[in-house]
Amino acid sequence: NAGVTQTPKFQVLKTGQSMTLQCAQDMNHNSMYWYRQDPGMGLRLIYYSASEGTTDKGEVPNGYNVSRLNKREFSLRLESAAPSQTSVYFCASSVRGYNSPLHFGNGTRLTVT
Amino acid sequence: TQLLEQSPQFLSIQEGENLTVYCNSSSVFSSLQWYRQEPGEGPVLLVTVVTGGEVKKLKRLTFQFGDARKDSSLHITAAQPGDTGLYLCAYDRTSGSRLTFGEGTQLTVNP
Repeated sequence: NAGVTQTPKFQVLKTGQSMTLQCAQDMNHNSMYWYRQDPGMGLRLIYYSASEGTTDKGEVPNGYNVSRLNKREFSLRLESAAPSQTSVYFCASSVRGYNSPLHFGNGTRLTVT
Repeated sequence: TQLLEQSPQFLSIQEGENLTVYCNSSSVFSSLQWYRQEPGEGPVLLVTVVTGGEVKKLKRLTFQFGDARKDSSLHITAAQPGDTGLYLCAYDRTSGSRLTFGEGTQLTVNP
């Protein structure tokens, strides 16, 4: 049972380049999330999908877009990367929404130069 | 404004020592979750506390939820190097599936 799988693990981009971070879960969870983690800032929610077919903005959505491709997959796209988007990105899933514990992937370390 | 404050931010101790880390807020929570994150990995849920005054034990880790449900603490007895990691508390800000995390306490247990 793989849980939550994120790809790639590492990525270096130049300012202005685009890329998509992939996330898949095999636990039949309804809700999926994208967080970024920065030193001194903790984990901040970028976007989430409460259920297949829905997406909503989190705390820091600017510069990102998401797609809930199906129940298993939730991708995060950076259309024009900026140095401020250098961070570690975590995808997570949960059975349902409110108060449901999150299961995290192992993260994507992104550097934008 | 940080709704969840964790303290201390950093803690470095020797193996065998006891420690307590805190998660505080001015808001009342219906429940609180504690996670541990090891280097290069995502956070992993340790426990959820729901009832005011509740105490939960996980081996050498003891979690307590404040009577007023505004604060929580994690006490580790006889810390071991394997306890090293970032300890995060989190709660749901609304009923809309949005878990909010504190900044965490980075614990280092030296052998």
